Amino acid sequence: QQPVQSPQAVILREGEDAVINCSSSKALYSVHWYRQKHGEAPVFLMILLKGGEQKGHEKISASFNEKKQQSSLYLTASQLSYSGTYFCGTERTGGFKTIFGAGTRLFVKA
Amino acid sequence: DAGVTQSPTHLIKTRGQQVTLRCSPKSGHDTVSWYQQALGQGPQFIFQYYEEEERQRGNFPDRFSGHQFPNYSSELNVNALLLGDSALYLCASSRPGTGGGEYFGPGTRLLVL
Repeated sequence: QQPVQSPQAVILREGEDAVINCSSSKALYSVHWYRQKHGEAPVFLMILLKGGEQKGHEKISASFNEKKQQSSLYLTASQLSYSGTYFCGTERTGGFKTIFGAGTRLFVKA
Repeated sequence: DAGVTQSPTHLIKTRGQQVTLRCSPKSGHDTVSWYQQALGQGPQFIFQYYEEEERQRGNFPDRFSGHQFPNYSSELNVNALLLGDSALYLCASSRPGTGGGEYFGPGTRLLVL
């Protein structure tokens, strides 16, 4: 039941854009996105609730397609500080646990 | 505003021993979840505590137990440690119904020899 993230890894040059996808085979209530840098704890980026909303956070935004049970994280004009591993976490209706994907490793180079 | 704190930061134990990890949630948060993160993997849900009760549990054996105190802080206990229990243990706090996600502490890195 772990959500599937793609791609597994991506290398960008500063200023380039990236899209990270997260899909689930189960009906979801919400999708969370986190970024974890090496040796640090995951940092919450945003949460999307069912309803197909899109959210933005500076140059990072995300969408949630409830029909497809898919969420995408959009990173625009990437900066060196965007490097890290991005995790999506999913919650099902009536549940209280967040199930995390395996992560997408993002490396931004100058 | 203090974030989530965890103690200790690092711990070395031997097989068969028992360990207790501690977590204080972010101010204003009343729900605490514990996760196990192996190297290169995503966090795996252990259990969640709310109102001093275990509200949901992941696929972890009974060797893993927990507690939440009236001040919302929490403990994770692991008995009869196995080599495979070596991992980063993360505590995350939240306040359901606010539309926010979980805020993670820095974690406790446990090494079982």
